[in-house]
Formats: sequence, C-alpha cells, structure tokens
Amino acid sequence: EPEVTQTPSHQVTQMGQEVILRCVPISNHLYFYWYRQILGQKVEFLVSFYNNEISEKSEIFDDQFSVERPDGSNFTLKIRSTKLEDSAMYFCASSDRASGGGTLHFGNGTRLTVT
Amino acid sequence: AQSVTQLGSHVSVSEGALVLLRCNYSSSVPPYLFWYVQYPNQGLQLLLKYTTGATLVKGINGFEAEFKKSETSFHLTKPSAHMSDAAEYFCAALNYNQGGKLIFGQGTELSVKP
Repeated sequence: EPEVTQTPSHQVTQMGQEVILRCVPISNHLYFYWYRQILGQKVEFLVSFYNNEISEKSEIFDDQFSVERPDGSNFTLKIRSTKLEDSAMYFCASSDRASGGGTLHFGNGTRLTVT
Repeated sequence: AQSVTQLGSHVSVSEGALVLLRCNYSSSVPPYLFWYVQYPNQGLQLLLKYTTGATLVKGINGFEAEFKKSETSFHLTKPSAHMSDAAEYFCAALNYNQGGKLIFGQGTELSVKP
C-alpha cells in the first residue's frame, strides 16, 4: 500500500538555526498537509497546500514557517529560525481530495528537538 | 469553533475485555469523524471514519464506532482486546468546508494487560 514517507525521523538543531523537514506524499495525491504534536499535547493543524499554494494555515504557521513543493515528489516544511517551543513531532499528510470524504494519510513523523 | 474531547487520557483493559474509548465533538452541525491509531514510533493510521450513511462504522482490526448525533459522540469499541491493540488512539473531526483541517482530540493511550 502506498505510504507517505518523512525524513529524517529525528532532527536535532540549535535554537536560531534553519531546518527543513521533508516529505514524499503518495504519488497521485494532490492535497498536502503539515501537522505537529508537541509532547503531551494535541495534534495540531499547521498548513494545507494545493496547486502550489497554501490553501489554509493556522495561527501557529507564522512568518518563520514556509512550505514548498520543489519538484513533483517532495513537500517540505522549513522553519527559518527555530525556537525551543518548535520542538515537536511534525507529521506530513496527503489526500486525494480536499473534501471530508477524502482520507488523510499520515507519515511516521519527524521528531524535531531544538536545543 | 469545532473541538473534540476524548474522555480519559489513559485506558487500561485486560486481554479479551471490551475496549471503549470515548469521543465527543462540539459543533451543532455534525462533522466528518475519524479515529486514528498511533503505534510507538509510527505515524497516524486511519482506523475508521464516518462521513454519511450508516451510523455504525466498522474499521480495521475489529474496531467499530457509532455516530450518535443526539449525544454528539463517536465512541470507539472493540469486543475483545488483544495485546497488539496497545497504542495511542486519536479521535478527529473535519468540518465539511474545511478541507483537510482535522481537529484532533488529545488522544487516549490504551494499555492491554495479559
């Protein structure tokens, strides 16, 4: 069964550094998402992306965050200058439809630790 | 705004016992509803979902959930727990007009005792 893959599985970075989290969505999916889960808290929506632009973003997704689909397969989340509070598990997801009938398929996540 | 509440951050059952994980949503317009499972060091895997139609939804691994509009609930059940069911379970809601913006509950960790 096709799956969403994320790399790396664990990223450690120093405060103020830039990080790029990478995702390869399922190949025929057109809708892409990032979610995050701070330890002990709920999984939170960050951003949705379709047709090479952001469809919706949460208030968490400020100017320090950006997303890109640089080629036909990768979908990346960049954090420009990491803060301690960015430490979390980041999940990429993809879907073949935007509507509620479409199922989001999640990757295994990247655990980001900011020191 | 939509919110999802899961009662009990940790549920422990004996192997073979009934599993019941509770989920309530807040909106007056019923959303689409989902249960995801997360095994250690893995991603979120869809167990089942309710969109329209039959209110009792069957999923993978013997789980099922019933949508009850009058109770704004979508509780997850399994008649007989197996050791391999030990994992974190997340209930999530999706409003019709909000694409893939899932609203998650806080999760329930299920432990299964031999």
